[in-house]
Amino acid sequence: TQLLEQSPQFLSIQEGENLTVYCNSSSVFSSLQWYRQEPGEGPVLLVTVVTGGEVKKLKRLTFQFGDARKDSSLHITAAQTGDTGLYLCAGPSRRTYKYIFGTGTRLKVLA
Amino acid sequence: DVKVTQSSRYLVKRTGEKVFLECVQDMDHENMFWYRQDPGLGLRLIYFSYDVKMKEKGDIPEGYSVSREKKERFSLILESASTNQTSMYLCASSLRGRGGYEQYFGPGTRLTVT
Repeated sequence: TQLLEQSPQFLSIQEGENLTVYCNSSSVFSSLQWYRQEPGEGPVLLVTVVTGGEVKKLKRLTFQFGDARKDSSLHITAAQTGDTGLYLCAGPSRRTYKYIFGTGTRLKVLA
Repeated sequence: DVKVTQSSRYLVKRTGEKVFLECVQDMDHENMFWYRQDPGLGLRLIYFSYDVKMKEKGDIPEGYSVSREKKERFSLILESASTNQTSMYLCASSLRGRGGYEQYFGPGTRLTVT
């Protein structure tokens, strides 16, 4: 069974701090997606990583896919209150059309 | 810009009512999905469809059915709503294929069954 575990589960930090969120699996994924979800809204796709070792940047957000394609990280530099939300990683199942979702990291950035 | 829309943002229904949730995507995606999201349980797949008139059960299909008569539209039906179906319902779509294709989500429907 493919599983994605995210850590930490909850994170509360001050504006301006840096943080890293992790998404780990014992299985290989062909790609991983990162989403941010605000309360009462649907998840919004931030990035897709496909190649092992790949690094992608989206303004202050840096995403990395592990060399073995079993894990990924999201680093936020100088967090802002607008970064508050639920961060989800997800990847396509090897055998079906389903997607596997991580357990989520709930981030709160305080002013 | 990719777009997935859902017919209602908020819905309140009574126990026993038949409920229709509609989802439309404008990206010509083959795959469409219905999830429900509950605190502490994450996203759980109800049904998905990989083509018009084709559907497969997800992890929690009991009490739900779906319809896909056109490629862009995927409907979720609660035949007889119950209070334990109070939840956030999310529709998503993606290209066909098992690798590298990301899902795009709609804004969600918050359904309350009283």
